[in-house]
Amino acid sequence: EVQLQQSGPELVKPGASVKISCKTSGYTFTEYTMHWVKQSHGKSLEWIGIINPNNGGTSYNQKFKDKATLTVDKSSITAYMELRSLTSEDSAVYYCARPDFDEYFDVWGAGTTVTVSS
Amino acid sequence: DIVLTQSPASLTVSLGQRATISCRASKSVSTSAYSYMHWYQQKPGQPPKLLIYLASNLESGVPARFSGSGSGTDFTLNIHPVEEEDAATYYCQHSRELPYTFGGGTKLEIK
Repeated sequence: EVQLQQSGPELVKPGASVKISCKTSGYTFTEYTMHWVKQSHGKSLEWIGIINPNNGGTSYNQKFKDKATLTVDKSSITAYMELRSLTSEDSAVYYCARPDFDEYFDVWGAGTTVTVSS
Repeated sequence: DIVLTQSPASLTVSLGQRATISCRASKSVSTSAYSYMHWYQQKPGQPPKLLIYLASNLESGVPARFSGSGSGTDFTLNIHPVEEEDAATYYCQHSRELPYTFGGGTKLEIK
């Protein structure tokens, strides 16, 4: 069974950074890209970016290019997203999502809640 | 960026009746081969769940009362007959080009 296990909730101070993880299982890590999606409370979904675990290549939504950095660790088959210079606007649930080859998301992590508060 | 506009924002449907949700794209998300529009269901506290991919293909395990149609810029998700468990928020998403975007969501209530 394909699974994406995300790290636990984070409470971080304004201006700080946070790195959340998405550990994969049940499939060949390098054969599928990984995407990250933001959902602010009660709001819709925003696509943050994509990473190719095979070569580390990334592409970001322009809105998040100065906010998020996507990386992978092939040895632990884990994807990461670091968010920096956090403000209250960054408080949200963040999902990792693995697409099928036509880029629809058939596998999602459970989400990581990030709360930015002093 | 391709903007996806969903309507209505909320919808109340009687048990056993039909729910119809629309998603309009600001430019075509179709090629000659496929329409890169997908539909998800999300319940509170859960991640989105894929229902329909490539406009009209039912994801494995999803009940046949869910169906999708459309091409180009106009797409529709139908649920018939609606059941109580279908109360949720529904989102469309395109994968025609980067950046991928989602619609604003449609909240479905059952009466």
